[in-house]
Amino acid sequence: DAKTTQPNSMESNEEEPVHLPCNHSTISGTDYIHWYRQLPSQGPEYVIHGLTSNVNNRMASLAIAEDRKSSTLILHRATLRDAAVYYCILRDYSGTYKYIFGTGTRLKVLA
Amino acid sequence: DSGVTQTPKHLITATGQRVTLRCSPRSGDLSVYWYQQSLDQGLQFLIQYYNGEERAKGNILERFSAQQFPDLHSELNLSSLELGDSALYFCASSVAGGPNTGELFFGEGSRLTVL
Repeated sequence: DAKTTQPNSMESNEEEPVHLPCNHSTISGTDYIHWYRQLPSQGPEYVIHGLTSNVNNRMASLAIAEDRKSSTLILHRATLRDAAVYYCILRDYSGTYKYIFGTGTRLKVLA
Repeated sequence: DSGVTQTPKHLITATGQRVTLRCSPRSGDLSVYWYQQSLDQGLQFLIQYYNGEERAKGNILERFSAQQFPDLHSELNLSSLELGDSALYFCASSVAGGPNTGELFFGEGSRLTVL
């Protein structure tokens, strides 16, 4: 299973943009990049996913490097409710379809 | 509310015992995933079922087993419980089990405490 590397923790000020990085140097051509987040005392929730092109949705944007070896989740204006653990996951769509979560980045938002 | 229902929410039992955790996926979802999350740890993938068939296996112990029934609900059976099995167990579901599955929907988890 391809591996992702994320910083253990990050801090951001409220109302400011947040860029959460993820390295996935062993990504294969058949891996989708997924992001989930886990709010305190809750199950994870889907944020966004992409393959090659940058993606936007109502929650966030996903910027994927041209060589696909890294990606960045962008929260355009962090709120206190965005404080969570953010997981970057590679999902192989040609094989076993497993979603393998790493330890994620704990985002702290400062008021 | 994700639409995924897990029962029980909390369970306390003793070492050596056996428990069953239940998951009802979102209406229409064919695929069910089980994850284990120990204290301050990430999510460990255990197993995935798609329309009643095992699709993928992760770090699931031999003492653990799972199945998905014809009505698509799933059960995770944990036997010969040890203290280290204390964790949050999450179930997730998705529409499909194949290449174009985008979003997993997670339940609120079942918290197992083994004393």
